[in-house]
Amino acid sequence: KNEVEQSPQNLTAQEGEFITINCSYSVGISALHWLQQHPGGGIVSLFMLSSGKKKHGRLIATINIQEKHSSLHITASHPRDSAVYICAVLSGNTPLVFGKGTRLSVIA
Amino acid sequence: DVKVTQSSRYLVKRTGEKVFLECVQDMDHENMFWYRQDPGLGLRLIYFSYDVKMKEKGDIPEGYSVSREKKERFSLILESASTNQTSMYLCASRGYFGQGLYEQYFGPGTRLTVT
Repeated sequence: KNEVEQSPQNLTAQEGEFITINCSYSVGISALHWLQQHPGGGIVSLFMLSSGKKKHGRLIATINIQEKHSSLHITASHPRDSAVYICAVLSGNTPLVFGKGTRLSVIA
Repeated sequence: DVKVTQSSRYLVKRTGEKVFLECVQDMDHENMFWYRQDPGLGLRLIYFSYDVKMKEKGDIPEGYSVSREKKERFSLILESASTNQTSMYLCASRGYFGQGLYEQYFGPGTRLTVT
């Protein structure tokens, strides 16, 4: 079974800072998901990646298939970015394997 | 927009009660999943289903059962609720995106408290 590790577990940043959250996994995958969960809220899919890089607004996700590693970057962070960010990996039509999440707090 | 709905946002039940959590999706997806989410443990898979009347055990099936009589509906059943089943329960639905990829959508969650 794939092992998914996220770092850091907790992150506090000042508004405006550039933020990076990392995800590594142990076995080859077909895709990687980045998910967001605001306090008390549901889970929303931010990105699904199988290679390269994707950008949506201030969020950028990259994946290096050879190194089995992905990063989620947030530029010009804002307090509304405060949430738990979860990495999940997919191998074919099998259940997603989740990391334990990174809790981000952005302070104004 | 894909919609995954769950029957309740908050539920309080007594120990020993039979509890039904319902999940409905409107995208004709074949794959559906039930997870529980606990602080420090992340999301853990309880059961999943790849088609009507099919079910597979996930990582933590003990104390739970499921039912999938119709494609759009996947029910999670706690036969005799216990306090250690107090948790956030999340349903998800997944569809084929093409090129070997699947896109997964989550319901809003049901926070179950067993007293």
